[in-house]
Amino acid sequence: EPEVTQTPSHQVTQMGQEVILRCVPISNHLYFYWYRQILGQKVEFLVSFYNNEISEKSEIFDDQFSVERPDGSNFTLKIRSTKLEDSAMYFCASSRQIEAFFGQGTRLTVV
Amino acid sequence: QQQVKQSPQSLIVQKGGISIINCAYENTAFDYFPWYQQFPGKGPALLIAIRPDVSEKKEGRFTISFNKSAKQFSLHIMDSQPGDSATYFCAATSHSGGYNKLIFGAGTRLAVHP
Repeated sequence: EPEVTQTPSHQVTQMGQEVILRCVPISNHLYFYWYRQILGQKVEFLVSFYNNEISEKSEIFDDQFSVERPDGSNFTLKIRSTKLEDSAMYFCASSRQIEAFFGQGTRLTVV
Repeated sequence: QQQVKQSPQSLIVQKGGISIINCAYENTAFDYFPWYQQFPGKGPALLIAIRPDVSEKKEGRFTISFNKSAKQFSLHIMDSQPGDSATYFCAATSHSGGYNKLIFGAGTRLAVHP
């Protein structure tokens, strides 16, 4: 069964550093998303991406964040100048129509 | 108005019992209501979903009941099993834009005791 894959599964970074989280969406999907889940809290929408551009972003998704689809398969989330409060699980998701499928997540720990 | 309120926060059910999780929303533009199941350290997995043109949808032991006038929907897990122990999230979205910005509830941690 096709699935969304994310790498790495766990990333530890120093405060102020830049991180890139990677995702391979399901191959025939058209819409791509990043969500965030702070430990023990609900899943929060960050950004949606379609046709090589951002279709919507949340208030959380400020200038510190950027997304890119560098080739036909990868979808990346870049976080610049990481802060302690960026520590969370980051989930990539993709959809072809309305059903969204999530990856296993990347646990980002900022120290 | 974008919020989805979910209750209870946690739920303990005996094996074989019925688990019921409730959600309520305000935004009448929402037209798709999925439920996701999440095990520790894993991503949310789509469990079952409903559109507001039906009042109930059943898939195996899982049933969504939808009350459009009350703007409420609920997940019923029949014959609950220990393997159902997980966190359940309701969500809602307006699918008008083609993409799917999900608004999640706060989650319900379900424990099914043998």
